[in-house]
Amino acid sequence: GQNIDQPTEMTATEGAIVQINCTYQTSGFNGLFWYQQHAGEAPTFLSYNVLDGLEEKGRFSSFLSRSKGYSYLLLKELQMKDSASYLCALTSGGSYIPTFGRGTSLIVHP
Amino acid sequence: EAGVTQFPSHSVIEKGQTVTLRCDPISGHDNLYWYRRVMGKEIKFLLHFVKESKQDESGMPNNRFLAERTGGTYSTLKVQPAELEDSGVYFCASSQEVGFEAFFGQGTRLTVV
Repeated sequence: GQNIDQPTEMTATEGAIVQINCTYQTSGFNGLFWYQQHAGEAPTFLSYNVLDGLEEKGRFSSFLSRSKGYSYLLLKELQMKDSASYLCALTSGGSYIPTFGRGTSLIVHP
Repeated sequence: EAGVTQFPSHSVIEKGQTVTLRCDPISGHDNLYWYRRVMGKEIKFLLHFVKESKQDESGMPNNRFLAERTGGTYSTLKVQPAELEDSGVYFCASSQEVGFEAFFGQGTRLTVV
């Protein structure tokens, strides 16, 4: 089976940097997704990591360490609109269907 | 290009009734997925269509749930009869390739009372 762990809630200040961690246990790791979901809206794709290292995409970066079963999403220059739930999801084994964590609710305050 | 659309956005039904949820994927996406999020828990996979065929339905909770995708276009998910524990948000997603970026709909919030 798979086990995905994320903090339930985080708060940060506008303009700051925040790192949202995701740890997992699984066999046959394929890849790890990060999705953003605003309340009442569809989850939207942020990133997909297959290999170790950091991938940067504008204000958002995602890091993966397969040997440690660890990923993080780094959000820079936080804006109020970044307040949302951030979902870590991974694929493993023979299945390419993502399994989701419970998500981290990020609250950005002025 | 239109995204994934789901209908209805909200549904409130009584226990024992039937409800049918609809999902229109992005045009040209062969892969269609149904997920469900029960309050306070993670988004859980229900099933996966490739065109009109059920590729993986390992996540379907029980035989009260029936999903179809006739013609390989839109899909329906029917719950009959509905139970209280079926309440949650039902998401549909579609993708061109399995294992890559999936585009989600806004979900149908189902409340069984």
